[in-house]
Formats: sequence, structure tokens, C-alpha cells
Amino acid sequence: KAGVTQTPRYLIKTRGQQVTLSCSPISGHRSVSWYQQTPGQGLQFLFEYFSETQRNKGNFPGRFSGRQFSNSRSEMNVSTLELGDSALYLCASSLGASGGETQYFGPGTRLLVL
Amino acid sequence: GQQLNQSPQSMFIQEGEDVSMNCTSSSIFNTWLWYKQDPGEGPVLLIALYKAGELTSNGRLTAQFGITRKDSFLNISASIPSDVGIYFCAGQLGGSSNTGKLIFGQGTTLQVKP
Repeated sequence: KAGVTQTPRYLIKTRGQQVTLSCSPISGHRSVSWYQQTPGQGLQFLFEYFSETQRNKGNFPGRFSGRQFSNSRSEMNVSTLELGDSALYLCASSLGASGGETQYFGPGTRLLVL
Repeated sequence: GQQLNQSPQSMFIQEGEDVSMNCTSSSIFNTWLWYKQDPGEGPVLLIALYKAGELTSNGRLTAQFGITRKDSFLNISASIPSDVGIYFCAGQLGGSSNTGKLIFGQGTTLQVKP
């Protein structure tokens, strides 16, 4: 069974631009969670989607948004990029029915904001 | 954001030695997970724990869910060079406000000298 895939793997943007990252979960998984990883803050939860609905959201500004499609694929968008948004963005998928199942991570998208 | 207290922060050991790391929290967790992350990659699941007192092994790795549900440890026996990496504990709290949300420790960086 294929694992979680994320595209693109690397991205360079400039301040003020916006970016969209994509995540394809493991087949049969319906929940996708997104995390931001930085050296200073570690791994921080952004939001979680299940059945095309956002079920939970972390403490990030509204510039960070996401969505989920009917095939469970998910995208996250960051608008008006800031230098501090440079990070590794990880998505994780799980079966999702209870919200507490084991999460499996993708390889991440490395975003550099200049 | 909220984090687990993971220790030690780093370890430099000789090949063949055993390794122990742990995570503690003031909160009660429903699930404890241990992941390993290599540079530039996403975290890979090592062991998942779901019940207080549960002791689970995966090859040379053994992890336990503390009976108070506020801590967990991971042991690696007879370390080998490929054990090098960053090990993260992650926990999930109960309740609908924590659906799909993992809280992570700061990570333990393991280096193994051949």
C-alpha cells in the first residue's frame, strides 16, 4: 500500500506571495492532519480534515487554510507569506472515524520564504 | 504551543549500547506514539501505544505507556549506526477539541559511534 505523498517536496517563494501544498493520504484513510515543523517551535498542529470538513484547528493565523476533497486528498494554502512561514510542512493521514487513530506522515514540503 | 517534555535532548553513544528516552506531561493522554525522523524526511512511526501500562516491542525497540497516562518511554537495545536520527514522542489528548491533533516532544537526537 502506497504511503502518504506530498507535493511539491521543495518550494521557494517571496514574501507576500501565496502557496498551495498538496497531500494524498494512504488509500482508505479519510483523515488528514497538517503540521508545521520549525527548529524553534518543533512540530505544531495546523488543522485536521475528515470527510471534507475541518474538524479541528490549531493556533495559527487565518492566513493558513486548508480543504479536503471527496477522494480525501487535502490541500493547505498560506496567503501573504512571511519570512517566519519558512518551515517543513507535514501532513499525516489516519483512518479517521474516531479522530484518535494512528497517524502516518508524508515526507513533507520544505518551504523557504525569501 | 503545547509540547511534551522529552529527554534527553541528545545522546551520543557507542554502537551496541542500549538507549532510553522518555516523555512526560502534566496532562493525561489517550495515545502515545513514537516516531523517528531522518533529515529532510517526515516522521516514521515506530510504536503506537493505546492503553495505560501497555508495553510494546518492535524488534530492538520497546516502548511503554505509563500507568498514570502522563508519560511514556522508548528503549532501543544494542544500537546500530542506522539508529541515528531524531526520535519524537507524540501524544493525543481526549475530547472532540483534540480530534486529529498530536502534541509532540522536542525530540531526542541520537548519534551512534561505530
